[in-house]
Amino acid sequence: AQKITQTQPGMFVQEKEAVTLDCTYDTSDQSYGLFWYKQPSSGEMIFLIYQGSYDEQNATEGRYSLNFQKARKSANLVISASQLGDSAMYFCAMREVNQAGTALIFGKGTTLS
Amino acid sequence: GAVVSQHPSRVICKSGTSVKIECRSLDFQATTMFWYRQFPKKSLMLMATSNEGSKATYEQGVEKDKFLINHASLTLSTLTVTSAHPEDSSFYICSARFGGTYNEQFFGPGTRLTVL
Repeated sequence: AQKITQTQPGMFVQEKEAVTLDCTYDTSDQSYGLFWYKQPSSGEMIFLIYQGSYDEQNATEGRYSLNFQKARKSANLVISASQLGDSAMYFCAMREVNQAGTALIFGKGTTLS
Repeated sequence: GAVVSQHPSRVICKSGTSVKIECRSLDFQATTMFWYRQFPKKSLMLMATSNEGSKATYEQGVEKDKFLINHASLTLSTLTVTSAHPEDSSFYICSARFGGTYNEQFFGPGTRLTVL
């Protein structure tokens, strides 16, 4: 079963406008972490923002904010005042417990243009 | 933030040959390293997790004999694609973490493998 779901394969946004990228997750753990990464065409993974399951406030980092709705198991990324350089693929990820400890599991990604 | 490097950044090889990709943590000791594979415009798929000094733990469906992972030191992990075939062509990304399971993972820049 898919642990991280990103339902928007592609999104368009005008410069200076805000955009929301959707992410829902599935876990039975009480303690977990949610991440958003940006991957430009160069391929590098750029960390954007982190939300812990026990964090009561939504995480914010500059123009990035995470709309965390725990009961709905959603962790949407909001990018405000979009810029041309924001065009990239965006991945939502969750830290998952596996045999070797924990690892990041990624959603399928959303291409933002 | 911490820096993770990968070498080479791009490699082209003939079918049947083996290719080694290195992942190094440059300014911290990586107790755990991860290897991911990514097809064009697709998600990152976790291949294996390796803790320094122990055997790698492979995800279901990943062939251990084909993708050999060695994590011999706290700053270096290697992924060797043995007897490479065109279907092994992909973008391979490593990440590294110091210490506990709740510490941040730092990603390398990736290696693009093309098998002819």
